[in-house]
Amino acid sequence: DARVTQTPRHKVTEMGQEVTMRCQPILGHNTVFWYRQTMMQGLELLAYFRNRAPLDDSGMPKDRFSAEMPDATLATLKIQPSEPRDSAVYFCASATITWRTFFGQGTRLTVV
Amino acid sequence: AQTVTQSQPEMSVQEAETVTLSCTYDTSENNYYLFWYKQPPSRQMILVIRQEAYKQQNATENRFSVNFQKAAKSFSLKISDSQLGDTAMYFCAFYTQGGSEKLVFGKGTKLTVNP
Repeated sequence: DARVTQTPRHKVTEMGQEVTMRCQPILGHNTVFWYRQTMMQGLELLAYFRNRAPLDDSGMPKDRFSAEMPDATLATLKIQPSEPRDSAVYFCASATITWRTFFGQGTRLTVV
Repeated sequence: AQTVTQSQPEMSVQEAETVTLSCTYDTSENNYYLFWYKQPPSRQMILVIRQEAYKQQNATENRFSVNFQKAAKSFSLKISDSQLGDTAMYFCAFYTQGGSEKLVFGKGTKLTVNP
C-alpha cells in the first residue's frame, strides 16, 4: 500500500533545541501539507506545497518554523528554537487533488 | 472563512447499535467537499467517507453513511452495527477550491463503543 511516511514518530527535546521532522509523500503526489494537532486548536494547516513550491505558509510562525521540499520525495518541517508550546502532533499529508488527501501517522513532539 | 462545528465532544454507543455524529459547516461557496475522518489511538487519520456538494445522493461506505442537508449546512455521520474497532476520534472536514487548498477540520467527537 502506498503511504505517507513520517519520521520520527516521537520526539522529546529540550526547549531551545532545533527539531526537524521529515515526510516522504506518496510517489506521484504533487501536493504536500503540514498540519499540527493540539487539544486546544484541533487540526491546523501550517503550510503546503505544490510541485515543491510553497503556496501557503500563513499558518506557520515565521520566526521559528520553516518548511521545505528539497526534492519530490522529501518534505521537512523545522523548528528552531523549539518552545514548550510547540508540543503537538505534526502530520504530513499528500495528495494529487485535495479531496483525496492521505495522512502520515504523525510525529508526536514534546518540548520540555 | 469556512468553519466546521462538531457539537458533541464525546459520545458512546453499545456494540451493534447505531450512532449518529453531528457536523455543521459555514461557507458561501456552492461547490465543495465534505469528509469524515477517523483517528484511532494509533493517530493515523483515516478517510471514512466523502461527499461532493453537487451530489444530492447521500454517500455510503458499508456501515457508514451520511445525511447531507445542503440548505441546512449539515453533514452527519451514521455508523450502523457499531463495532469495538470504531472507537476513535471522528473529525468532520470541509474543502473548497474557492479558497486555500486545505482541509478545514472540526474539533472532533470522541466515540467509544462499549461491549
